Amino acid sequence: GAGVSQSPSNKVTEKGKDVELRCDPISGHTALYWYRQSLGQGLEFLIYFQGNSAPDKSGLPSDRFSAERTGGSVSTLTIQRTQQEDSAVYLCASSLSPVREQFFGPGTRLTVL
Amino acid sequence: TQLLEQSPQFLSIQEGENLTVYCNSSSVFSSLQWYRQEPGEGPVLLVTVVTGGEVKKLKRLTFQFGDARKDSSLHITAAQPGDTGLYLCAGEKGNQGGKLIFGQGTELSVKP
Repeated sequence: GAGVSQSPSNKVTEKGKDVELRCDPISGHTALYWYRQSLGQGLEFLIYFQGNSAPDKSGLPSDRFSAERTGGSVSTLTIQRTQQEDSAVYLCASSLSPVREQFFGPGTRLTVL
Repeated sequence: TQLLEQSPQFLSIQEGENLTVYCNSSSVFSSLQWYRQEPGEGPVLLVTVVTGGEVKKLKRLTFQFGDARKDSSLHITAAQPGDTGLYLCAGEKGNQGGKLIFGQGTELSVKP
């Protein structure tokens, strides 16, 4: 079966532009997570969606970051007015339910020039 | 503030050697997970430990959860070049929807 997919795989943008990153979770997975991985570092939690509940946005680093999940499936992470420090790999993961195994996508590598 | 301190950050060894990676925290976790990540891919779960003192083995890999559920270790016996990769520990504090707190990772290189 298909795993978690993310698009684009690479994104290069200019400082100040807005970007949208997409995540397609595994079908039937109710929980969806976004993480950020800076060069050579571990993952940093950004936001978590579970079913129809209000998302846990506690990891978003600033109000330039937002995310939505439509129809309980596809999710989009939006970064407005990108800064160079936003350059990182953005990873999405999904799981059948909270505390079950998380399956990660391959990530989107974002480079802000 | 790094809640999970992972060490060493880099490790380069010869094939056949043994190694141990440590993951330490001052916080208690309901469970701790170990992942392996290869370049251009997302992390893949190796094991989850949930009980203090628990030991799990996966072929040449041995995982241990500390008695107080604040630390964990990964031991690899007779490392092979195929073990090369980034190893990540991640803790879950419970009642937080499965949100994971990751260590910085250990970049392992096993030379033939």
